[in-house]
Amino acid sequence: GAVVSQHPSRVICKSGTSVKIECRSLDFQATTMFWYRQFPKKSLMLMATSNEGSKATYEQGVEKDKFLINHASLTLSTLTVTSAHPEDSSFYICSASGTDRYGYTFGSGTRLTVV
Amino acid sequence: RKEVEQDPGPFNVPEGATVAFNCTYSNSASQSFFWYRQDCRKEPKLLMSVYSSGNEDGRFTAQLNRASQYISLLIRDSKLSDSATYLCAVNRDDKIIFGKGTRLHILP
Repeated sequence: GAVVSQHPSRVICKSGTSVKIECRSLDFQATTMFWYRQFPKKSLMLMATSNEGSKATYEQGVEKDKFLINHASLTLSTLTVTSAHPEDSSFYICSASGTDRYGYTFGSGTRLTVV
Repeated sequence: RKEVEQDPGPFNVPEGATVAFNCTYSNSASQSFFWYRQDCRKEPKLLMSVYSSGNEDGRFTAQLNRASQYISLLIRDSKLSDSATYLCAVNRDDKIIFGKGTRLHILP
């Protein structure tokens, strides 16, 4: 089946630094990828839709300059949390959609802690 | 109003009992519907898609009522391993939108 690899699984960074999270589709081409954030005991909140070769579409309330998304190929999307602050600490998960609109596959998530 | 709403939970249920989860969605343009399972500190995993005709997979039965914009999941003969958070999700404009989830604890 479709596999999405997300890296790193866990990262601790200092306040003010930037962190890049990668999401790769391993055995299929992902025309679209999605980035979610989940705070403890809260729902998965869609942050943005990443489209290969074009700008990402951000959900209302998500700062595009803070959460930079790049989808330069059909198998890789990256999310960069810029100038991270402790309130950015969260579980970030990517999801990829290939040619099958029902085939949404999730990465294993990245737990970000900003100290 | 949230786009996808679920029972707040948590549900504490004895092993072997039947558990029912309910979910409503607000956007009538939603195109497809799903139940996901999420274990603690893990990514969500697709449990089953939900169709208007209803569908069953072993101990799990899902139902969709488009007129009422209501989705349900029934787990029969619950097992300890069913303990998890169950997320209702809808596909709207090719985006998956999740409910907050309902935590289920199966008690031995």
